[in-house]
Amino acid sequence: GAGVSQSPSNKVTEKGKDVELRCDPISGHTALYWYRQSLGQGLEFLIYFQGNSAPDKSGLPSDRFSAERTGGSVSTLTIQRTQQEDSAVYLCASSFLGAAPNQPQHFGDGTRLSIL
Amino acid sequence: AQSVAQPEDQVNVAEGNPLTVKCTYSVSGNPYLFWYVQYPNRGLQFLLKYITGDNLVKGSYGFEAEFNKSQTSFHLKKPSALVSDSALYFCAVRDIGSGYSTLTFGKGTMLLVSP
Repeated sequence: GAGVSQSPSNKVTEKGKDVELRCDPISGHTALYWYRQSLGQGLEFLIYFQGNSAPDKSGLPSDRFSAERTGGSVSTLTIQRTQQEDSAVYLCASSFLGAAPNQPQHFGDGTRLSIL
Repeated sequence: AQSVAQPEDQVNVAEGNPLTVKCTYSVSGNPYLFWYVQYPNRGLQFLLKYITGDNLVKGSYGFEAEFNKSQTSFHLKKPSALVSDSALYFCAVRDIGSGYSTLTFGKGTMLLVSP
């Protein structure tokens, strides 16, 4: 498809397990972002990738969270030793021409993560 | 640091009436402002943006927004609301001084349009 694709759409796992969330950005988009959306909250920035530059990890809440982007395209967000407070919707977005300020971000439908 | 405030958690309006969803921002330089809409179980969809130029910006689905620099506001408006406009609306800002890397989002305003 032409949009940002995220998988899985839903993930239920037990506390303490590791999870991997995948994002396929729009083809040609060089910037990729991960956000977390908790119930009743706005979007919390997690991490940002721009081309081959070092990612901006300033939003990652703890060292249990990590992300990588392979080949400048697909990205994987990994949460190790999940906790109940990690339950949220994880949204991925991409944009064209890197972080050019006038470019809107295009969002996927998110992965709804539930930690039991 | 840049920030965005959406003072209303929820806005209720009757179908056919005009609607306004409020947004104020704080940045160190000139802002780039965006509105997004989120329908249930979906990601955010881009509605419109203000970069420079005319203070009244027109976007998708008949929405428009008015940039007011003196009041640091960017309120979303629509002349005649539809039931299908019911959704969660987010205002976002990007500060030229922040290096463009990320958007800062407000907490969102739920718009409910009654028939």
